[in-house]
Amino acid sequence: GDSVTQTEGPVTVSESESLIINCTYSATSIAYPNLFWYVRYPGEGLQLLLKVITAGQKGSSRGFEATYNKETTSFHLQKASVQESDSAVYYCALGEVNTGNYKYVFGAGTRLKVIA
Amino acid sequence: EAAVTQSPRNKVAVTGGKVTLSCNQTNNHNNMYWYRQDTGHGLRLIHYSYGAGSTEKGDIPDGYKASRPSQENFSLILELATPSQTSVYFCASGDWGGQNTLYFGAGTRLSVL
Repeated sequence: GDSVTQTEGPVTVSESESLIINCTYSATSIAYPNLFWYVRYPGEGLQLLLKVITAGQKGSSRGFEATYNKETTSFHLQKASVQESDSAVYYCALGEVNTGNYKYVFGAGTRLKVIA
Repeated sequence: EAAVTQSPRNKVAVTGGKVTLSCNQTNNHNNMYWYRQDTGHGLRLIHYSYGAGSTEKGDIPDGYKASRPSQENFSLILELATPSQTSVYFCASGDWGGQNTLYFGAGTRLSVL
């Protein structure tokens, strides 16, 4: 079946340092799934951070960016300079139409802690 | 602003008891979902619904039932709760074919003792 694998947390980064959270996917039923990053801040539900639906394209939001790489089946999340407010859990996910429905597959989540 | 509200936020239940988790959305989305999140696992789909009156089994439906009495409300029911159902549960709404984005509630932390 389909799967998403991402960096195992927790990840601790100092403020103003760069960040990369790795994400690779396996989609057996469709060649080019939609790819998402969701974020969950403490006490809140998951919210969409960014998404890319076309292979080769880059998505960006709030200083984060991720590029849809179909050759390496990857969608790594990067930020050049993190802030304490970026401390959260980040989820990589793929979405695809499957048996007539739109189905999502989530990674296990990566907890990020940014320290001053 | 899209909104999904879950209740209760925290619940302690006894083994063998009945638990109902409720979810309300004001997004007017047709699709609603129940997931559970356990350490080391991604969100796993329990049940979902295409609209009022419909419920479908997800990837891990055993031990759970669902109810969608209206467009806005979607409940998850544990008839006989077990300690293995201790988890964090998330409800979400969404419409595919459009933005294909899920909108999540804040989660319910359930402990079954």
